[in-house]
Amino acid sequence: GAVVSQHPSWVICKSGTSVKIECRSLDFQATTMFWYRQFPKQSLMLMATSNEGSKATYEQGVEKDKFLINHASLTLSTLTVTSAHPEDSSFYICSANARASNQPQHFGDGTRLSIL
Amino acid sequence: SQQGEEDPQALSIQEGENATMNCSYKTSINNLQWYRQNSGRGLVHLILIRSNEREKHSGRLRVTLDTSKKSSSLLITASRAADTASYFCAPHARAAGNKLTFGGGTRVLVKP
Repeated sequence: GAVVSQHPSWVICKSGTSVKIECRSLDFQATTMFWYRQFPKQSLMLMATSNEGSKATYEQGVEKDKFLINHASLTLSTLTVTSAHPEDSSFYICSANARASNQPQHFGDGTRLSIL
Repeated sequence: SQQGEEDPQALSIQEGENATMNCSYKTSINNLQWYRQNSGRGLVHLILIRSNEREKHSGRLRVTLDTSKKSSSLLITASRAADTASYFCAPHARAAGNKLTFGGGTRVLVKP
């Protein structure tokens, strides 16, 4: 079945550094990928839609200069958390669709980000 | 896009029992999807049911959809400890493109 790989799975870094998270579709092409954020015991909050070859679409309240998204190819989207602070600590998850909108999304295994 | 609201928020059952959770949504949909999330992991797709379908099965899972009531249910039969997870529904409207949003989910604990 369709597989989405997310890397790294765990990051611990100092406040002020930037962190890049990669999301790859391994066996299909994804023109659209999605980035979510999840706090403990809460639901996934959609942050942005990553569009191949064009700018990402951010959800209301999400700072686009803080969370930089690049979708340079049909199999790779990256999320960069710039100048990370402790409040950015969270579980970040990406997903992708293979084709049409009536198909399920395939999720990566998430990245746990801890900012000290 | 719209999100579904799952009910109950949490469910605790003994192994072998059935688990039922419900999802309600507000507007017309193209399909409704159910996902499972194990602790600390990503979501895994379970079943997609289209708006013109009323019931769908996959192994020990049974999903129903009532578009007149804007609700869906997920039944897990003969539950196992490995079914312990959070379960989310995602109603999908055609106008939303591929975008899905999620409610709070149902946390299911299956005790051995």
